[in-house]
Amino acid sequence: DGGITQSPKYLFRKEGQNVTLSCEQNLNHDAMYWYRQDPGQGLRLIYYSQIVNDFQKGDIAEGYSVSREKKESFPLTVTSAQKNPTAFYLCASSSPRGLNEKLFFGSGTQLSVL
Amino acid sequence: EDKVVQSPLSLVVHEGDTVTLNCSYEVTNFRSLLWYKQEKKAPTFLFMLTSSGIEKKSGRLSSILDKKELSSILNITATQTGDSAIYLCAVSGGSNYKLTFGKGTLLTVNP
Repeated sequence: DGGITQSPKYLFRKEGQNVTLSCEQNLNHDAMYWYRQDPGQGLRLIYYSQIVNDFQKGDIAEGYSVSREKKESFPLTVTSAQKNPTAFYLCASSSPRGLNEKLFFGSGTQLSVL
Repeated sequence: EDKVVQSPLSLVVHEGDTVTLNCSYEVTNFRSLLWYKQEKKAPTFLFMLTSSGIEKKSGRLSSILDKKELSSILNITATQTGDSAIYLCAVSGGSNYKLTFGKGTLLTVNP
């Protein structure tokens, strides 16, 4: 079955630690996205990538970093510079490139601070 | 700045009721409006509305786009407990068709 796989489902971060959230898709989609969801809030775009080896900042990129070395993979690193990382993180993909309306989402990662 | 506002933010109904969820937007270069259902974790796509397709229907769910009023409604008739979820509205626009999401409406359907 095609889809988007996020791991882990739950992640705990210690003070000053960087953590990486995994996102893999086998839908052959060109575009991939990372969103952050806080309780009672909509989804906010962190980073997006429309093609391998290229990505752009979204609305709340500070304290986060990404890479896009393979079409299937778009990992998100939450750095120690992100002072309020506790949130639900959703990865998504879409096709064709440049038309990003219909997103397919993963099941998310809940990140909490110890 | 693009803006999407959903109302109400939460709603509790009884099984069998009909509900109407609202979404209004301010977006430059509007391209499309989308509705998603988020039951537990992953949002799932419901409808996409554009200038050429302003009304969509699937079973008990239907949605209409009002481009003049810059808004959309999502109707659910004969609600079931399985309809309990967060309903997200998103609008595509701007120079790169970026999606802007509203805060969502939490719908609870009681038996």
